[in-house]
Amino acid sequence: KAGVTQTPRYLIKTRGQQVTLSCSPISGHRSVSWYQQTPGQGLQFLFEYFSETQRNKGNFPGRFSGRQFSNSRSEMNVSTLELGDSALYLCASSLEAGTAGNTIYFGEGSWLTVV
Amino acid sequence: AQSVTQPDIHITVSEGASLELRCNYSYGATPYLFWYVQSPGQGLQLLLKYFSGDTLVQGIKGFEAEFKRSQSSFNLRKPSVHWSDAAEYFCAVDSISGGSYIPTFGRGTSLIVHP
Repeated sequence: KAGVTQTPRYLIKTRGQQVTLSCSPISGHRSVSWYQQTPGQGLQFLFEYFSETQRNKGNFPGRFSGRQFSNSRSEMNVSTLELGDSALYLCASSLEAGTAGNTIYFGEGSWLTVV
Repeated sequence: AQSVTQPDIHITVSEGASLELRCNYSYGATPYLFWYVQSPGQGLQLLLKYFSGDTLVQGIKGFEAEFKRSQSSFNLRKPSVHWSDAAEYFCAVDSISGGSYIPTFGRGTSLIVHP
């Protein structure tokens, strides 16, 4: 079956703009989580959604937001982009949310460059 | 807070040589531990995970990892490395946050394979 699909794969934005990234989970998976990956900070958890509800949120400013739709697809939005938001944004899906030992499956990521 | 440390930023091995990547965790109870691999430009792929039972865990692609509670370690090993194993490797531990478990990742170890 198809894996986690993220669009767009690459994008360039200007400081101050906003961006929306999309994620389609593996069929049947109801949990979607988002991560930011940078050389300086490594992999950092952004938020997790399950059945259209945000279950958990990482330590990021309010400019970072997300949502999940009834078909489990998810979007994340970053407003008022800063240079430091340049990163690989990874989406992951799983059957369950927040349980220990949960296996999560990652997409290939969206590369965001802010200029 | 739960955390993992990967002491080696880079590891260089020759093709056919054995490999051991180190991971140390900080966790009060029995940890849920994972190893992921990330090929250039790709998302993360789960290699193996441990949360109970046999302390030697077999994974995909010929990898294994050994859980040692006395040393708080979960080192990844492979008896004979192939050039295609060149990638970034991440150790992770499931951490409690906001009442649910989310993975906390180490900073990663970059594996370079010489022919």
